[in-house]
Amino acid sequence: DVVLTQSPLSLPVTLGQSASISCTSSRSLVSSDGKTYLNWLHQRPGQSPRRLIYEVSKPDSGVPDRFSGSWSGTGFTLTISRVEAEDVGVYYCMQGTHWPYTFGQGTKVEIK
Amino acid sequence: EVHLVESGGAVVQPGGSLRLSCATSGFIFGKYNMHWVRQRPGKGLEGVSIIHVDGTTRGYADSVKGRFTISRDNSNNSLHLQMTGLRAEDTALYFCAKDSPNGSIEHWGRGTLVTVSS
Repeated sequence: DVVLTQSPLSLPVTLGQSASISCTSSRSLVSSDGKTYLNWLHQRPGQSPRRLIYEVSKPDSGVPDRFSGSWSGTGFTLTISRVEAEDVGVYYCMQGTHWPYTFGQGTKVEIK
Repeated sequence: EVHLVESGGAVVQPGGSLRLSCATSGFIFGKYNMHWVRQRPGKGLEGVSIIHVDGTTRGYADSVKGRFTISRDNSNNSLHLQMTGLRAEDTALYFCAKDSPNGSIEHWGRGTLVTVSS
């Protein structure tokens, strides 16, 4: 199975400041169709996960524009440009290129 | 609106078996791959199994391979997970999830709790 490694695992942030989460993969996530199926999910306590970003950088409908996804030579990044109180919870990267889909360990975001 | 409702979770002894089900509505079930994803208490998400629309192509996490079997009934819009040889480490909240065409999971159920304990 593909292993996704996230860092940091815990991220205390100040309201209004930016936050970044990294995700690296043990295998290439470029699919045979040329697309990269790397997603970012958010889970609040007691709730099911919610997808924020798909195909590396495409935001879901209704996702605030302060959330963005990107890729560089070293891996994938989720950036929250101006953290708000409602952004707390755990963020997961998830790959959908190889079966079964796999997840990073999760990054817990909390307000300082 | 998409609805995914899991059932079948219970307390079971180590070595026992359990069958989870997921009732779906709000979309054309037979056109989407489906997933089971689990979350151990206080831990992260783990993809357990995925099944293709045709029901014949299936994938499993290494941790459950040979013990769990995913199936679907396209005539009844339902997804199932037959679990055998259960272990303490299978204790988790099991989510039913709907695939999306772009290599992703767009919709999730609320989960059903499986506890493996003597």
